Amino acid sequence: QKEVEQDPGPLSVPEGAIVSLNCTYSNSAFQYFMWYRQYSRKGPELLMYTYSSGNKEDGRFTAQVDKSSKYISLFIRDSQPSDSATYLCAMSNSNSGYALNFGKGTSLLVTP
Amino acid sequence: DAGVIQSPRHEVTEMGQEVTLRCKPISGHDYLFWYRQTMMRGLELLIYFNNNVPIDDSGMPEDRFSAKMPNASFSTLKIQPSEPRDSAVYFCATQRQYGTQYFGPGTRLLVL
Repeated sequence: QKEVEQDPGPLSVPEGAIVSLNCTYSNSAFQYFMWYRQYSRKGPELLMYTYSSGNKEDGRFTAQVDKSSKYISLFIRDSQPSDSATYLCAMSNSNSGYALNFGKGTSLLVTP
Repeated sequence: DAGVIQSPRHEVTEMGQEVTLRCKPISGHDYLFWYRQTMMRGLELLIYFNNNVPIDDSGMPEDRFSAKMPNASFSTLKIQPSEPRDSAVYFCATQRQYGTQYFGPGTRLLVL
């Protein structure tokens, strides 16, 4: 079983909808939590970064970490067709240096 | 900055052949990571370097895989001999200490 689990989708929503993407993990030592966005045939790019528990907001994006439940979320408000991509969660701990453990990614399609 | 540069972008080869993937990191980034992405297993870390020294190669699948970083501007990932199950997208990523991990565009490898 992978340390990081993520529903692969696909998830299809209409433009303007609120999107919720989630990951669960098993390693309680994870302290750093990230969301990457990957467009088709491109490399992943960092979208959000959170340390430990709590919320972080950046424009239409909000990242939440609940360490007690080992559960992280990414919310996208007012979703746009340009948000259509695969979203990967990633996490690490101080003992592993900067090595990231990724979920398999959730494919999102926002339809006009 | 040109970002992380990978070559070739696509590689088609026959089983048993040697494959060499190349990566040029962003200038000043002293961490370099090699990842492999497949539909079945997602994005997996193979090996990473700090200041040209391999730090963790526990993700390298088997002895057929080797990676080198002869200097701060260049790294290679070699597969010898290649097998069809090595078909995947291979990403190189680099970062500064305490920085963001930036991914290259990837090399799509198909082993026939």
